[in-house]
Amino acid sequence: NFMLTQPHSVSESPGKAVTISCTRSSGSIASNYVQWYQQRPGSAPTTVIYEDNQRPSGIPDRFSGSIDSSSNSASLTISGLKTEDEADYYCQSYDSSSRVFGGGTKLTVL
Amino acid sequence: QITLMESGPTLVKPTQTLTLTCTFSGFSLSANGVGVGWIRQPPGKALEWLALIYWSNDWRYSPSLKSRLTITKDTSKNQVVLTMTNVDPVDTATYYCAREPLGAPRFDYWGQGALVTVSS
Repeated sequence: NFMLTQPHSVSESPGKAVTISCTRSSGSIASNYVQWYQQRPGSAPTTVIYEDNQRPSGIPDRFSGSIDSSSNSASLTISGLKTEDEADYYCQSYDSSSRVFGGGTKLTVL
Repeated sequence: QITLMESGPTLVKPTQTLTLTCTFSGFSLSANGVGVGWIRQPPGKALEWLALIYWSNDWRYSPSLKSRLTITKDTSKNQVVLTMTNVDPVDTATYYCAREPLGAPRFDYWGQGALVTVSS
């Protein structure tokens, strides 16, 4: 099995952009799609990016996803930060037998 | 409209067996490719995938918990049941069920979660 490693926390000011990384421990990041979920306190996760870089309907284009094979990692970038973006963000991927979540990143918008 | 809802005990004693039920609507587990999974989250900690069952009755389990988990479905009742044996206080968590859409290893609809505390 593999692991997905995320920074514990990031912070940035409103209006700025922030990038959250998600590094896969073994196997190629490009081999299996990566999803990103947003979780606000007391709520279930919701999808902000699926299949590496696709946005569900209703998610603003301030949210974007990408993968980088050279670092074996995926990234979630949020531009034009708003205070409402403050939340925990989780990456998720899979292999033939498992679903794997990253450890989560707490985004503070201050 | 797709909804999922978890139900089960809020308090379980150590060494007991925990049984959680996910009741869903708006889709069928008899539809090709659809799955329902369980994910948990200890207080203040990260999400952890536990198990998944498909429309075909095929299933997948977290390698670290495989020996303690059983996932089943009742298609006629639109329910998925997760059983966890020999619970411990470290199993205290909010347990979520979620839908895995056709051909896509991700979770697009989630239940609200059910907090289960393991304590004597």
